[in-house]
Amino acid sequence: QKEVEQNSGPLSVPEGAIASLNCTYSDRGSQSFFWYRQYSGKSPELIMSIYSNGDKEDGRFTAQLNKASQYVSLLIRDSQPSDSATYLCAVNILISFQKLVFGTGTRLLVSP
Amino acid sequence: NAGVTQTPKFQVLKTGQSMTLQCAQDMNHNSMYWYRQDPGMGLRLIYYSASEGTTDKGEVPNGYNVSRLNKREFSLRLESAAPSQTSVYFCASTLAGEDTQYFGPGTRLTVL
Repeated sequence: QKEVEQNSGPLSVPEGAIASLNCTYSDRGSQSFFWYRQYSGKSPELIMSIYSNGDKEDGRFTAQLNKASQYVSLLIRDSQPSDSATYLCAVNILISFQKLVFGTGTRLLVSP
Repeated sequence: NAGVTQTPKFQVLKTGQSMTLQCAQDMNHNSMYWYRQDPGMGLRLIYYSASEGTTDKGEVPNGYNVSRLNKREFSLRLESAAPSQTSVYFCASTLAGEDTQYFGPGTRLTVL
């Protein structure tokens, strides 16, 4: 079983809609969770991190974590065509050092 | 600040040739990483260096060697390139205690 799983997509949403991206992980000892955005041909960039159960909001982005169910999600409100990218979920199982395991990514397409 | 820089941006090798991918960061980061990214496989960790003078294997180290030359530089060497090493290679760095891994622009490597 892959350690971090994501639906590869593409997930297609119209402009202005809410995009919901999901990620499950296998290691119950996972400590921290990250969402990276990667535009085609570019390098990944961090958009959200979350450490505790519940929701964390940053502008149009909300990360949700449920450690009991071992999933983390990313909601993008008021989706824009510029949000079209691949979203990578990453999990860190260590406490004092960042050693990330990435999912394969979900491709999001936002149509005008 | 240039952030994380990688050279070269593109490279074509023949099977059996050797080459070194260079990575440097000017953010005074402690930890540095080398990943490869392949379609459908996501980002996979090749090697990492938690601090100057230390290196450790990641998920897919076979066929590669690394050198943490100093705090700024972390190089990845392919001694005898194989077609299976055709990939996009990303270097990343992070400061101890921080969330964000900063990625370089990547090196697109093709092995014929």
